[in-house]
Amino acid sequence: AQSVAQPEDQVNVAEGNPLTVKCTYSVSGNPYLFWYVQYPNRGLQFLLKYITGDNLVKGSYGFEAEFNKSQTSFHLKKPSALVSDSALYFCAVRDTGTASKLTFGTGTRLQVTL
Amino acid sequence: GAGVSQSPSNKVTEKGKDVELRCDPISGHTALYWYRQSLGQGLEFLIYFQGNSAPDKSGLPSDRFSAERTGGSVSTLTIQRTQQEDSAVYLCASSISGIRLADEQYFGPGTRLTVT
Repeated sequence: AQSVAQPEDQVNVAEGNPLTVKCTYSVSGNPYLFWYVQYPNRGLQFLLKYITGDNLVKGSYGFEAEFNKSQTSFHLKKPSALVSDSALYFCAVRDTGTASKLTFGTGTRLQVTL
Repeated sequence: GAGVSQSPSNKVTEKGKDVELRCDPISGHTALYWYRQSLGQGLEFLIYFQGNSAPDKSGLPSDRFSAERTGGSVSTLTIQRTQQEDSAVYLCASSISGIRLADEQYFGPGTRLTVT
């Protein structure tokens, strides 16, 4: 069965600094990886996905993620953080079986301060 | 265009009562998912509908939980004889197809269920 690990419960960064939110995965076969963001009292919002091709994936709001097959990682990055980026971030892997459900990590809370 | 909508946004119920949660997926999306988000448990899959196929119920935690999808569109998640451990945010998602693994899922705002 596939799994996702987000080793940090919280990441703190100052506005203007680069940010990284870590994610590692375990799947059999080719990984289909996703990042979602959740703002307070809102549903999950799709940010970006890796299916195949370039290891650097660009997504919404200036976010990007780097796929590393040898390290089984898919870290979320942004060159310059904004206070408005403060939210809960989830990494997910797609089930390649019949359900095609998403298996989520436990989430990382990003706190960007002035 | 309209996204995934869910109702009610909040539901408070007494232990032992039945509740129904509704999801309206994005028009034209054939795949519909229910997830549950609770403190300490993260996001867990409950059930998946794909077109007219039999739903995948492998994530339902007990036989008190059931769901249906009428006309390939609206879905209702029913919890019978609610328990306090059912308190959570119930999220619905849809995607163009559940068969194409590259398709992202679009989530509704969720229904916050509180069982007292």
